[in-house]
Amino acid sequence: RKEVEQDPGPFNVPEGATVAFNCTYSNSASQSFFWYRQDCRKEPKLLMSVYSSGNEDGRFTAQLNRASQYISLLIRDSKLSDSATYLCVVNTHGASGTYKYIFGTGTRLKVLA
Amino acid sequence: NAGVTQTPKFRVLKTGQSMTLLCAQDMNHEYMYWYRQDPGMGLRLIHYSVGEGTTAKGEVPDGYNVSRLKKQNFLLGLESAAPSQTSVYFCASGFGWEKKNIQYFGAGTRLSVL
Repeated sequence: RKEVEQDPGPFNVPEGATVAFNCTYSNSASQSFFWYRQDCRKEPKLLMSVYSSGNEDGRFTAQLNRASQYISLLIRDSKLSDSATYLCVVNTHGASGTYKYIFGTGTRLKVLA
Repeated sequence: NAGVTQTPKFRVLKTGQSMTLLCAQDMNHEYMYWYRQDPGMGLRLIHYSVGEGTTAKGEVPDGYNVSRLKKQNFLLGLESAAPSQTSVYFCASGFGWEKKNIQYFGAGTRLSVL
């Protein structure tokens, strides 16, 4: 089982639609969570951190469910410019002091005019 | 504000050739990382550094070496390139665990090994 799993998509949605992505993680000791956005042939860029109580940034809402070990990203009122791959990232801090920053393979979103 | 800068952006090598990828950051970050990204796989950590003069192995270190002689620079070397090292390489930097380890990425280097 992969440490971080995402549905690769693609999710094809019309402009103005609401779309949600989920990401599951296997390590219950994981401590911080992020969504990154990656445009085609570009570098990943931080979209938002994910907090335990859930957080919102404009049209984007992130949720964390520790009991079920998943995080979610909700995009409301989709824009053409939201078309990208969304990467789920989980950070786990080990007992030895090391940490791992694990990336999912990404979910591809295409917003259609 | 340049952020994280990688050079070169593209490179084609023949099997057995060597090369060095350079990463430079101007954000005074302690931590720096080298990843590779292959189709159908998430970014995988090759090596990382938690400060000037330190390096550590990541998930896929074989065939690569790194050096961090200056805080702002992190070099990735391929001593004898193999076709399996054809990939997109990303450098990243960040403040580490204390700042929730948010990482900032360079634009990437596309490497083909023939």
